[in-house]
Amino acid sequence: EVQLVESGGGLVQPGGSLRLSCAASGFTFSSYWMSWVRQAPGKGLEWVANIKQDGSEKYYVDSVKGRFTISRDNAKNSLYLQMNSLRAEDTAVYYCARDALTVTKGFDYWGQGTLVTVSS
Amino acid sequence: AIRMTQSPSSLSASTGDRVTITCRASQGISSYLAWYQQKPGKAPKLLIYAASTLQSGVPSRFSGSGSGTDFTLTISCLQSEDFATYYCQQYYSYPVTFGQGTKVEIK
Repeated sequence: EVQLVESGGGLVQPGGSLRLSCAASGFTFSSYWMSWVRQAPGKGLEWVANIKQDGSEKYYVDSVKGRFTISRDNAKNSLYLQMNSLRAEDTAVYYCARDALTVTKGFDYWGQGTLVTVSS
Repeated sequence: AIRMTQSPSSLSASTGDRVTITCRASQGISSYLAWYQQKPGKAPKLLIYAASTLQSGVPSRFSGSGSGTDFTLTISCLQSEDFATYYCQQYYSYPVTFGQGTKVEIK
């Protein structure tokens, strides 16, 4: 059974940092692109970033470029999102999602999400 | 970035109704479109990818069509478990973008 379990969310002050983790199981993690998607309270979905199987390619939404870094450790079946210089508008539930094997066919598995609250 | 615009933003329907949701892309995206269902407090669930391919395990009452800039999601016979918010997503180019969502409510 495919499982994605996020952790690391919490309350952080504006300008602070947080590192999210996503533990994957039930599939060959190293074979898939992986994505982070967020959802602000009461709002829609926003794709944040994704990373290629070997970590050699990474893409970000403009609003997080230079502040967030996506990474992965295939030996640990884990995906990460390092978030620096956090702003109030980064407050959201952050989901990790399984992306493409070769060609994207949508995000077929999602974690339960972890809440990040940026507030003083 | 490619803007995805869904209509309507919300709708009220009854069990058994046929429901159609539209998604329009600000530029052509071929068939690089997916549809998701999300219920309150839950993660999104993939329904359709490549504009019209039903994800494994998704009931056949869901169908998708379109290519280029105009797409539709149809629920042929609405069931109680289908009341949720639906999102389209383009993955033709970065950044990946979602529509604003369509909330399907009980009439």
